[in-house]
Amino acid sequence: DAGVIQSPRHEVTEMGQEVTLRCKPISGHDYLFWYRQTMMRGLELLIYFNNNVPIDDSGMPEDRFSAKMPNASFSTLKIQPSEPRDSAVYFCASSLDIRNTIYFGEGSWLTVV
Amino acid sequence: AQSVTQPDIHITVSEGASLELRCNYSYGATPYLFWYVQSPGQGLQLLLKYFSGDTLVQGIKGFEAEFKRSQSSFNLRKPSVHWSDAAEYFCAVGAEGRRALTFGSGTRLQVQP
Repeated sequence: DAGVIQSPRHEVTEMGQEVTLRCKPISGHDYLFWYRQTMMRGLELLIYFNNNVPIDDSGMPEDRFSAKMPNASFSTLKIQPSEPRDSAVYFCASSLDIRNTIYFGEGSWLTVV
Repeated sequence: AQSVTQPDIHITVSEGASLELRCNYSYGATPYLFWYVQSPGQGLQLLLKYFSGDTLVQGIKGFEAEFKRSQSSFNLRKPSVHWSDAAEYFCAVGAEGRRALTFGSGTRLQVQP
């Protein structure tokens, strides 16, 4: 299996622009997670889906952030408008079930200038 | 609520020396416990996990961890560290129900030649 695939790997954008991060989970995994990693706050869970349905979005920082999972093989995390404080590494991850091993993608490195 | 603490932000050891990284968790029942490793510029990779049974768990790359219920700990150990072990290590705890894994703040390991 190819593992969790994220795109883009790196993105630099200007403040106010819309950013869309994409994720393809491992086939057959029912859970998909979006995490954000920063030096200051460490690894934070933003939102996770079960069978394409958002289960817990309490970690989404504010309304500028939105996530969708239109089907079992694709998810997006959108930031609109982006701000410099959104600069971070965004990880997508997937697992077979909530108590099982989470497999991470290589991350999307976002810089907002 | 479940939580996990990694008291050591940064540890430096000499190559060939033994290693122990600390992890303490807070959860009312028996948790599911994980150790992940993150190399620079990479996603997180599972080292080992504990669900039940034998409290000493063997993982990849020569790592092991021991679950101690009385101390609420799940420390990671390696008898002889290699330079390639330099990375950041994350402990994570999971629980029953639909809550996702909670990650600790990480311990950065530096290996001196």
